Amino acid sequence: DSGVTQTPKHLITATGQRVTLRCSPRSGDLSVYWYQQSLDQGLQFLIQYYNGEERAKGNILERFSAQQFPDLHSELNLSSLELGDSALYFCASSLVGTGLYGYTFGSGTRLTVV
Amino acid sequence: DAKTTQPNSMESNEEEPVHLPCNHSTISGTDYIHWYRQLPSQGPEYVIHGLTSNVNNRMASLAIAEDRKSSTLILHRATLRDAAVYYCISGAGSYQLTFGKGTKLSVIP
Repeated sequence: DSGVTQTPKHLITATGQRVTLRCSPRSGDLSVYWYQQSLDQGLQFLIQYYNGEERAKGNILERFSAQQFPDLHSELNLSSLELGDSALYFCASSLVGTGLYGYTFGSGTRLTVV
Repeated sequence: DAKTTQPNSMESNEEEPVHLPCNHSTISGTDYIHWYRQLPSQGPEYVIHGLTSNVNNRMASLAIAEDRKSSTLILHRATLRDAAVYYCISGAGSYQLTFGKGTKLSVIP
């Protein structure tokens, strides 16, 4: 157990639907990062939050959004889902707002869009 | 983040040392070098990081070239559990870590 909790572990949904992925960071960590990993793209950075505020954005689609709540857990919302959104979604956390001291990753949510 | 270059794949025999190379020729003076690994069906796992000096921890050693343009991750005795994709990342002073394709390490029993 890395200390980063992601739920659900698996999700199967239909095209056009909306889903919410949840992440609880390791205790004490203030920053949360979301990554998408598909077979042909590798690990792609989506978005980062630090202490409740958006800190950096990567290749996140407009159909996707995220937020970090006062208790520091984060949610990634994916809407108007397409087949190509099928992927593993990882959440990571770190103590500070950069990757300098290392990330702790969760075990991921496997999203399958049918 | 500075660009890194790693071999696509490597093989090692079980219980032998493994040297995983990484080139980061455009690294700046303040960029750290990080290594992560990803076991099958798991999230990436932090392995080690360093700036200039060689570093050791319970998982591995990191040897950094004097000019810092390359580094080598050393697993002292490979086990089957070390079979994974190993990512070398430099420039972690920016907000997010940028992962490349990494090196897929296969361990032969």
